[in-house]
Amino acid sequence: EAQVTQNPRYLITVTGKKLTVTCSQNMNHEYMSWYRQDPGLGLRQIYYSMNVEVTDKGDVPEGYKVSRKEKRNFPLILESPSPNQTSLYFCASKRASGGYPYNEQFFGPGTRLTVL
Amino acid sequence: AQSVTQLGSHVSVSEGALVLLRCNYSSSVPPYLFWYVQYPNQGLQLLLKYTSAATLVKGINGFEAEFKKSETSFHLTKPSAHMSDAAEYFCAVTDLNTGNQFYFGTGTSLTVIP
Repeated sequence: EAQVTQNPRYLITVTGKKLTVTCSQNMNHEYMSWYRQDPGLGLRQIYYSMNVEVTDKGDVPEGYKVSRKEKRNFPLILESPSPNQTSLYFCASKRASGGYPYNEQFFGPGTRLTVL
Repeated sequence: AQSVTQLGSHVSVSEGALVLLRCNYSSSVPPYLFWYVQYPNQGLQLLLKYTSAATLVKGINGFEAEFKKSETSFHLTKPSAHMSDAAEYFCAVTDLNTGNQFYFGTGTSLTVIP
């Protein structure tokens, strides 16, 4: 089954304790992206990657890091989480060919993060 | 940066009534536009997208949207609401050239009253 998976699905942590949220897709997509969803703000893009070793900032990159060492994986790293990073996080992927700008993004199920 | 505005954070309709969810974009050049649906505790699913091929776009589950350049709008409609349509709906935009950066609206929560 074609899918985007995220782990963990739920995480409660404390301020300053480094964490990683993993994202993996099995569709051989070149493009991957991370979003955060907050009430009243919709989804905001954190980082995206056009291919292996190619990443760029989205709208709200502060406090986050990403890496793209393999095509299928795109982990989101919070090196020193703070309470304002409490949010629902989504990973997404899409093909980067044949109508690339408007190819469908496939979303993972989300990771709910609480930083105390 | 591009942006989209969704008017009405909450919309309630009766079962069988018309669904109208509003989205306006801000861009001097018509961008690519999308409508996504999010069911409770799930990720987002694409309903439909505007790619400049046709102004009236049909999507899944009976939804459609009409692109109106003069009004900078891309409103989502469905002639007859079903209980299963209750969800959060997001309008989104990406640029014509790269399709790398996405901007989402703040979302509209649709309630369907039996």
